[in-house]
Amino acid sequence: DTEVTQTPKHLVMGMTNKKSLKCEQHMGHRAMYWYKQKAKKPPELMFVYSYEKLSINESVPSRFSPECPNSSLLNLHLHALQPEDSALYLCASSQRTGIRSGNTIYFGEGSWLTVV
Amino acid sequence: DQQVKQNSPSLSVQEGRISILNCDYTNSMFDYFLWYKKYPAEGPTFLISISSIKDKNEDGRFTVFLNKSAKHLSLHIVPSQPGDSAVYFCAASAYAGGTSYGKLTFGQGTILTVHP
Repeated sequence: DTEVTQTPKHLVMGMTNKKSLKCEQHMGHRAMYWYKQKAKKPPELMFVYSYEKLSINESVPSRFSPECPNSSLLNLHLHALQPEDSALYLCASSQRTGIRSGNTIYFGEGSWLTVV
Repeated sequence: DQQVKQNSPSLSVQEGRISILNCDYTNSMFDYFLWYKKYPAEGPTFLISISSIKDKNEDGRFTVFLNKSAKHLSLHIVPSQPGDSAVYFCAASAYAGGTSYGKLTFGQGTILTVHP
């Protein structure tokens, strides 16, 4: 089972709203990731969590706030977003960080976010 | 600075023939390479990977070749099937020895269309 589950699949929010994206995996993976993908572009890394601790923040604006409540869950809290933040947000996981043979990143189906 | 490049935005192939997707990289620290397949409105699906200590890895219809001296890798799909039509992303990872790293750097993607 290599499943990463993301909810909601679609989200429309206003610029003053506060919302959250949720991600769950039950593969026992200890590394979890948020990526952002705009249309016709490759995924871009936002955050990496390793053993529930934030290990990489790719200079993401503070209006995006990640949270890792436990080893299976990863949230992305959204507040005061801009229309240009509209994108597909991908959650992913791997057994640990240090991507190499035997430690592949698996992606969820993504959450489509539209900021109006 | 685009460290992973897929110079062909699209590729069209007849069913049953070979599809060859190419990827070039510039960062000599990359030591692990992956190919992902992505359908519209879905997250990337892991296909196949290769470590820098190898020059070939095969899995069913998919074979990845790595030429380290040329900093080039390619994905061969034989025989191609209409269901293979998707966007293919090449991705690379650098394992900073002793320091866990969780970052994948993606190419821009190649749209593969397999005609019946």
